[in-house]
Amino acid sequence: EPEVTQTPSHQVTQMGQEVILRCVPISNHLYFYWYRQILGQKVEFLVSFYNNEISEKSEIFDDQFSVERPDGSNFTLKIRSTKLEDSAMYFCASRPLGRGDTDTQYFGPGTRLTVL
Amino acid sequence: GNSVTQMEGPVTLSEEAFLTINCTYTATGYPSLFWYVQYPGEGLQLLLKATKADDKGSNKGFEATYRKETTSFHLEKGSVQVSDSAVYFCALMHSGGYQKVTFGTGTKLQVIP
Repeated sequence: EPEVTQTPSHQVTQMGQEVILRCVPISNHLYFYWYRQILGQKVEFLVSFYNNEISEKSEIFDDQFSVERPDGSNFTLKIRSTKLEDSAMYFCASRPLGRGDTDTQYFGPGTRLTVL
Repeated sequence: GNSVTQMEGPVTLSEEAFLTINCTYTATGYPSLFWYVQYPGEGLQLLLKATKADDKGSNKGFEATYRKETTSFHLEKGSVQVSDSAVYFCALMHSGGYQKVTFGTGTKLQVIP
């Protein structure tokens, strides 16, 4: 069964450094998302992406964040200058075009980001 | 805006006990409802879903029924196993477009032998 993949599984970085989290969505999906989960808290929406542009973003997704689909398969989240509070699990998700039973987001296994 | 409220955890049950995790939601229109499960150290997996009122989602012995009149989507299982120990998230998403998923806070379930 096709699945969303994410790399790396764990990233450790120093405060102020740039990080890029990578995702490969399911191949025929058209909508892409990033969410984050700070340890012990709920999963929060960051951004949605469709047709090569951001569709919606949350207030968390400030100017330090950016997303890109550099080719036909990858979807990346960049944090320009990491802060301690960016430490979290970051989930990528994708969703096919359609409604009803196909209207489901499928999540990757996550990247745990630790900012020191 | 949309919101999902789940019962506080953790929930500790003995193996073969009956499980209920309550979930209620606030949303305009007719969202789809989901339960996702997160096993220790792993990502989010879709457990089951329902896309319209009175639909019942089911998977791996878990069930939940979309109740529009009570805006609820309670998760149930007749006989839990140790392997069901995980965090369960209730969630909703409006159909169509680029709609995001709104999650509840999650309920940790621990099943003891």
